[in-house]
Amino acid sequence: EAQVTQNPRYLITVTGKKLTVTCSQNMNHEYMSWYRQDPGLGLRQIYYSMNVEVTDKGDVPEGYKVSRKEKRNFPLILESPSPNQTSLYFCASKNGDQPQHFGDGTRLSIL
Amino acid sequence: SQQGEEDPQALSIQEGENATMNCSYKTSINNLQWYRQNSGRGLVHLILIRSNEREKHSGRLRVTLDTSKKSSSLLITASRAADTASYFCATETLSGGYQKVTFGTGTKLQVIP
Repeated sequence: EAQVTQNPRYLITVTGKKLTVTCSQNMNHEYMSWYRQDPGLGLRQIYYSMNVEVTDKGDVPEGYKVSRKEKRNFPLILESPSPNQTSLYFCASKNGDQPQHFGDGTRLSIL
Repeated sequence: SQQGEEDPQALSIQEGENATMNCSYKTSINNLQWYRQNSGRGLVHLILIRSNEREKHSGRLRVTLDTSKKSSSLLITASRAADTASYFCATETLSGGYQKVTFGTGTKLQVIP
């Protein structure tokens, strides 16, 4: 089944403790992206990747890192999480100008 | 600021009525997409319309695109309670060989049985 898988789905952690949210897709998509969703603000793009080893900042990259060492994986790294990064995070992937496939989301709470 | 802005922010209608949501954007686009999101879940793609297209249909969904006004609309005909969800438009632009996708803030639709 074609899918985008995020882990974990839920995480409660504390300020400053490094965390990684994994994202994996099995559709051989070149483009992958991370978004955060906050009430009243819709989805805002954090980082995206056009292909392996090619990443670029979205609209709200501060406090986040990504890597794209292989095509199927695009982890989101919070080196020193802060409470303002409490949010619902989505990973997505696509090819060309086709629509994106989204994961089910990761709800992060940073205390 | 958001590339896509949906209007209205919230809409409540009776089952069987039509629902219309609008999206405005600011810059030239490659395509515009509409997505649906059930509460707390991931987004599901509904329709993609390219910049050289004016209208597309998919079942009870009809999307129009007016590039001169930089706006799009999503019409859901004969609405059902199961259509209750949030709907987002997303614009895709090409800049320096990079594809950028920007989402609007969404319209929350409630269909009352």
